Amino acid sequence: GEDVEQSLFLSVREGDSSVINCTYTDSSSTYLYWYKQEPGAGLQLLTYIFSNMDMKQDQRLTVLLNKKDKHLSLRIADTQTGDSAIYFCAESISSNTGKLIFGQGTTLQVKP
Amino acid sequence: DVKVTQSSRYLVKRTGEKVFLECVQDMDHENMFWYRQDPGLGLRLIYFSYDVKMKEKGDIPEGYSVSREKKERFSLILESASTNQTSMYLCASRPRGVPGTGELFFGEGSRLTVL
Repeated sequence: GEDVEQSLFLSVREGDSSVINCTYTDSSSTYLYWYKQEPGAGLQLLTYIFSNMDMKQDQRLTVLLNKKDKHLSLRIADTQTGDSAIYFCAESISSNTGKLIFGQGTTLQVKP
Repeated sequence: DVKVTQSSRYLVKRTGEKVFLECVQDMDHENMFWYRQDPGLGLRLIYFSYDVKMKEKGDIPEGYSVSREKKERFSLILESASTNQTSMYLCASRPRGVPGTGELFFGEGSRLTVL
């Protein structure tokens, strides 16, 4: 079945770059997503990438997609304390129902 | 802005009680979802609905049921709560068949503790 895997924890210093990695199994996924969850809140879409793209850049965020290895990464440049949150990778397995499969979530800790 | 509202942020219930978790969205979305979030396990899909009175099981439906009597409202029901259902429950919605990213819009979550 479909599966999405992430490491559980990442700690960086303020100003450094953060790289959060994700692997997925469904090669037919149309879109892949990164959601952010701040403490006490629901998830919000951070960015996404269409499956025919290799890279997408949006301000401090860079998403890299390696379809051959089914590997997705999120790079946050100049990480700030406000970036501390849980980051979830997700893949879309049905464009009609909108069903997403989520990874376990990576807790990003940013130290001042 | 899309708003998904979960009526209860925090609930404490006793084993065996019936529990209702309510979710309302204000953007006329066809598809609604209930996920459960546990540390180290991420989000797991319990049930989803793609229309009024329609429902489909997700990955972990055991011990849960749902109700979708109106388009804007999707309820999660625990018929007889058990301690292993202590968790954070997240409701989400999205429009059906819209070209684009298929982004899900989430509520803030309902943290349920079963004693």
